[in-house]
Amino acid sequence: SQQGEEDPQALSIQEGENATMNCSYKTSINNLQWYRQNSGRGLVHLILIRSNEREKHSGRLRVTLDTSKKSSSLLITASRAADTASYFCAGGISGGSNYKLTFGKGTLLTVNP
Amino acid sequence: DTEVTQTPKHLVMGMTNKKSLKCEQHMGHRAMYWYKQKAKKPPELMFVYSYEKLSINESVPSRFSPECPNSSLLNLHLHALQPEDSALYLCASSRLQGADARYAFFGQGTRLTVV
Repeated sequence: SQQGEEDPQALSIQEGENATMNCSYKTSINNLQWYRQNSGRGLVHLILIRSNEREKHSGRLRVTLDTSKKSSSLLITASRAADTASYFCAGGISGGSNYKLTFGKGTLLTVNP
Repeated sequence: DTEVTQTPKHLVMGMTNKKSLKCEQHMGHRAMYWYKQKAKKPPELMFVYSYEKLSINESVPSRFSPECPNSSLLNLHLHALQPEDSALYLCASSRLQGADARYAFFGQGTRLTVV
């Protein structure tokens, strides 16, 4: 079952612009993560925000989390053509020694040079 | 070494074949995962191993059989697959303890085609 619903499903911008992707989720989570995937290959972890955090920054990335609305956003500032990829949010759910990471539908970001 | 290595990269198999996908990591991670990803879809969780024991099976058909021989290796045995099982199979690992415990490192995947 999918945890998150990304919005928009596809986003096309010009180099230098900012890109904002949103994610909504259904069940309670311990953390919310964002991953990037190029051309259907492996996913690369970008940033993690814990359920008790509201905002986090890493380089050109800014992620927010609103647990009352069960939503998160990822902002990529000053985008580059190399940022073109699919971006997925994923909810992390812990239960004892079990840990589950469930992905949302993803946003395909195209940054035009 | 922060890599998760999956072999083979590509696999074509018939519906009567038996094959195995392999995954290896040397980061000391004690959680390992199998995901299935269809084109233009998100990864779907199949199995989770914690401390080399199967902890989560997301109602995966028995034609997929996972195995974790030791803390570095994860296999996915395939038998009598259907064409609809064609997909990218991703392996991932993560720590179970510590500050960075909860994010996963992914391999590059095995592109499986069932004919």
